[in-house]
Amino acid sequence: DGGITQSPKYLFRKEGQNVTLSCEQNLNHDAMYWYRQDPGQGLRLIYYSQIVNDFQKGDIAEGYSVSREKKESFPLTVTSAQKNPTAFYLCASTRQNIQYFGAGTRLSVL
Amino acid sequence: GENVEQHPSTLSVQEGDSAVIKCTYSDSASNYFPWYKQELGKRPQLIIDIRSNVGEKKDQRIAVTLNKTAKHFSLHITETQPEDSAVYFCAASIGSSSNTGKLIFGQGTTLQVKP
Repeated sequence: DGGITQSPKYLFRKEGQNVTLSCEQNLNHDAMYWYRQDPGQGLRLIYYSQIVNDFQKGDIAEGYSVSREKKESFPLTVTSAQKNPTAFYLCASTRQNIQYFGAGTRLSVL
Repeated sequence: GENVEQHPSTLSVQEGDSAVIKCTYSDSASNYFPWYKQELGKRPQLIIDIRSNVGEKKDQRIAVTLNKTAKHFSLHITETQPEDSAVYFCAASIGSSSNTGKLIFGQGTTLQVKP
């Protein structure tokens, strides 16, 4: 279903802890994106990567970090600097301008 | 910065009626405008898109219109059914879509179709 796999589906973070959300795609897409979705709001871009070993900040990158060591993988780390991390996180990849989304990870704070 | 405004935030219609959702965008270089449907707790799914070289596109009960001069585009759903109930997002490419593939999204419209 879509070829983009996000894990875990649910994640809980303790105070001061870094957590990593996984995003893997087998669609051979070059570009990948991370979005944050809060209730009643649209999708806001955190980071994106157009090619391996390169990535750019989106609109709300503070408190987040990413890596793109392989074409298939674009993990997102939510660091302790992100003071309000509770949200639904969506990963996407692009082909011919169409963005395909993963099923999402719901992150909550303990 | 670039912005997409979407209205209304909620929309309730009777089954069989039409629903219209409107979006305006600020980046005059935007040339790609997709619409996504997101059911509760699920991923957004592309339902229709339009590029700046056309003014209207239809796919069965769904149509999208684009007015580049006014920088607005709309989603039209005819003969609505209960399964159309979801959150709908519009989006616009940031600059030319061929540059980065980046999109900016509207805030979403929660559509409720009452049987």
